[in-house]
Amino acid sequence: GAVVSQHPSRVICKSGTSVKIECRSLDFQATTMFWYRQFPKQSLMLMATSNEGSKATYEQGVEKDKFLINHASLTLSTLTVTSAHPEDSSFYICSAITSGTSYEQYFGPGTRLTVT
Amino acid sequence: LAKTTQPISMDSYEGQEVNITCSHNNIATNDYITWYQQFPSQGPRFIIQGYKTKVTNEVASLFIPADRKSSTLSLPRVSLSDTAVYYCLVGESVMGRDDKIIFGKGTRLHILP
Repeated sequence: GAVVSQHPSRVICKSGTSVKIECRSLDFQATTMFWYRQFPKQSLMLMATSNEGSKATYEQGVEKDKFLINHASLTLSTLTVTSAHPEDSSFYICSAITSGTSYEQYFGPGTRLTVT
Repeated sequence: LAKTTQPISMDSYEGQEVNITCSHNNIATNDYITWYQQFPSQGPRFIIQGYKTKVTNEVASLFIPADRKSSTLSLPRVSLSDTAVYYCLVGESVMGRDDKIIFGKGTRLHILP
């Protein structure tokens, strides 16, 4: 159980275009989802926290108008990279949380974005 | 949120037991300790979680001393496929509340044949 999927797994786009990445919790309801970005050989960097039905909370330094997050249901959150540039090329990972007495995030497999 | 410190990298050989220690000096009373494993171009995978003393599952053991200011992930008889980055995370868990967790730099474990 507790599976999180991401789509697409890989995407290549041209500079200036927008790309949408989906994150789904397949067998549980996720009240909160997180979006991370990871550059090669580096750790995961939290970009934003997404709560179902409310606006996302962005970490310092992350442009909310560039990285649009929508958490429309308890099983789906989307990250849209708008007007993508080559420096946005990265590995984007989402995770979801279920409420409970022990803390565990369930991570998606990640999406490799390459902007040419 | 408690900050964690881990060795940047470790090497070991197949069949050996590997222990990775994580320091979290300012861990709070409600904080749990969780370890994740990450392979290249994949999302992190949950390994083990604990609050105090010792926790063991089919993959690893987690040792937490009484003061909880550190923890040790123990991987028995590692194989080449255990080569990965291991992250120690510390965060609060309260029924009905969610919190974010910040990843540290992790430990890059390299298993040699």
